[in-house]
Amino acid sequence: GAGVSQSPSNKVTEKGKDVELRCDPISGHTALYWYRQSLGQGLEFLIYFQGNSAPDKSGLPSDRFSAERTGGSVSTLTIQRTQQEDSAVYLCASSSSGTGSFEQYFGPGTRLTVT
Amino acid sequence: SQQGEEDPQALSIQEGENATMNCSYKTSINNLQWYRQNSGRGLVHLILIRSNEREKHSGRLRVTLDTSKKSSSLLITASRAADTASYFCATDANRGGKLIFGQGTELSVKP
Repeated sequence: GAGVSQSPSNKVTEKGKDVELRCDPISGHTALYWYRQSLGQGLEFLIYFQGNSAPDKSGLPSDRFSAERTGGSVSTLTIQRTQQEDSAVYLCASSSSGTGSFEQYFGPGTRLTVT
Repeated sequence: SQQGEEDPQALSIQEGENATMNCSYKTSINNLQWYRQNSGRGLVHLILIRSNEREKHSGRLRVTLDTSKKSSSLLITASRAADTASYFCATDANRGGKLIFGQGTELSVKP
């Protein structure tokens, strides 16, 4: 059982470009979460997927941010027209909350730098 | 916006001493969790305490929860240099939904 994996580990992009960040959750985990961590804002929730339910998108900071989860497994977070304030570490987590276990298991993160 | 506030923001102690970190939160919760983070990357889950529990132990960790004061504390006993890390509390209001994190406590344990 591998843990949560994320790719790329580091991404440098120019302002205005689109980026895609990938998350592979722990096999069998029904819940998947995206957070971001930046110096000024700490750890912020972005979006949450649970099984086939509609995702909780309440943390997405703008409509430039979107995420999808295909086949109930891998998730991609897309940031369009990146801005310098998007620079942060983007963390993905998964849990088996459907079984009543609420601990979240985090990936190593993707460090995004927008120049 | 962050729900949790932690204090102290930074704590420096000698190996063998105990470290206590406190967390306060604002709204009702289902459970409260503590996480550890090394080097600003992935977080590691340490311990979860449910809203109907008052104290929980795991190895050298002891967590308390006071729902009337909306506060929790994490005690690390007999600290080691390897405990040096940032520690975050996180609240779960919805049984497995999003976590709301505190700002964290940066712990430094000197050998």
